[in-house]
Amino acid sequence: QSVLTQPPSASGTPGQRVTISCSGSSSNIGTNYVYWYQQLPGTAPKLLIYRDNQRPSGVPDRFSGSKSGTSASLAISGLRSEDEADYYCAAWDDSLSGWVFGGGTKLTVL
Amino acid sequence: EVQLVESGGGLVQPGGSLRLSCAASGFTFSSFGLSWVRQAPGKGLEWVSGIGGSGGSTYYADSVKGRFTISRDNSKNTLYLQMNSLRAEDTAVYYCAKCSTAMVSNFDHWGQGTLVTVSS
Repeated sequence: QSVLTQPPSASGTPGQRVTISCSGSSSNIGTNYVYWYQQLPGTAPKLLIYRDNQRPSGVPDRFSGSKSGTSASLAISGLRSEDEADYYCAAWDDSLSGWVFGGGTKLTVL
Repeated sequence: EVQLVESGGGLVQPGGSLRLSCAASGFTFSSFGLSWVRQAPGKGLEWVSGIGGSGGSTYYADSVKGRFTISRDNSKNTLYLQMNSLRAEDTAVYYCAKCSTAMVSNFDHWGQGTLVTVSS
């Protein structure tokens, strides 16, 4: 059971916009930044969004992050086949004094 | 270019020990925190442990506290994870991850991982 809650799966067709939610609590998302990671099949995770809504250089602006209260969301617009991957949210948890991840969302591009 | 190369994984019996290493290059090693993150087969990511840039601050997940020890050698640009009293549930790919600051902050670069299998 992960501390952060994500839907196990999401899907969309090419060109569509999809969102992935991440729910936490006051000790993690409610007080600390949220980060999103993309893990393509058979590869290591890659930082996708940092500090709730910032994109590292090289990440397309089709990817965006937002946060409200104890929940966060990752939005992917103009969906492409290469976006098919697992997506994880993460945040520091003040109560646990450690990093916590969501269980991951497997995105399928139909 | 930041590079993180893990080594030391393998097959170990329950109750055994293993030491993982992560050789880093492409950045000023002592200026950044580092973490270990693992992924059990077919499962999600789990943060295991983190260490600050100077090595003075360390953090552990409850699942490994008292069994695993994280350390770093800033003269060798290498991160370590000493794993003792290993259990079947420790079986996973272990990733070394560079933090974005000198603290145990978010992970901006990841290695390719090393597989640890705990089985008799």
